[in-house]
Amino acid sequence: DAGVTQSPTHLIKTRGQHVTLRCSPISGHKSVSWYQQVLGQGPQFIFQYYEKEERGRGNFPDRFSARQFPNYSSELNVNALLLGDSALYLCASSLGSQKDIQYFGAGTRLSVL
Amino acid sequence: RKEVEQDPGPFNVPEGATVAFNCTYSNSASQSFFWYRQDCRKEPKLLMSVYSSGNEDGRFTAQLNRASQYISLLIRDSKLSDSATYLCVVNWDSGTYKYIFGTGTRLKVLA
Repeated sequence: DAGVTQSPTHLIKTRGQHVTLRCSPISGHKSVSWYQQVLGQGPQFIFQYYEKEERGRGNFPDRFSARQFPNYSSELNVNALLLGDSALYLCASSLGSQKDIQYFGAGTRLSVL
Repeated sequence: RKEVEQDPGPFNVPEGATVAFNCTYSNSASQSFFWYRQDCRKEPKLLMSVYSSGNEDGRFTAQLNRASQYISLLIRDSKLSDSATYLCVVNWDSGTYKYIFGTGTRLKVLA
């Protein structure tokens, strides 16, 4: 079975641009979470979606938004990119309850120049 | 106080050694706890969930102390392949689906 897949794997953008990152969860998983990981730090929680509804949000500005589609895949959008948005963006999928294990994709490495 | 705190290390230990990591969390309402392993430039992978009664998986033992709000990971008979960053993860509270990661503890097992 396929694990969590993310695209693209790498991305280079300039300040002020917009980016869309994509995630497909493990088959049967209804929940997708997004994390930002900067070098030397643990992943920081951005959003969780379940059944197309936002169920949790971290301390990120409104430039960050996401959505989940009927097939449970998800997009993370970041507007007006800043240099500090350069990071590894990780998507994790789970069945949906709080005690469920989250399985991570390989991530999208975003560089903002 | 940080929500989830870990000693960043690195912990440099010889092969065969026993090493322990602690992680403290600030929210007493947290319900679920996990240890993940992350290799350099790779995604985090679940090592083990942490239960109130403690749990063991081969050379790895995880413990939860709710009164003192910390979880621990013990690795016995360290292998070179155990070299990685170990991330402590806490589900923030029962009313949200917010998972908080610690900064990770780096382990280097030396030959």
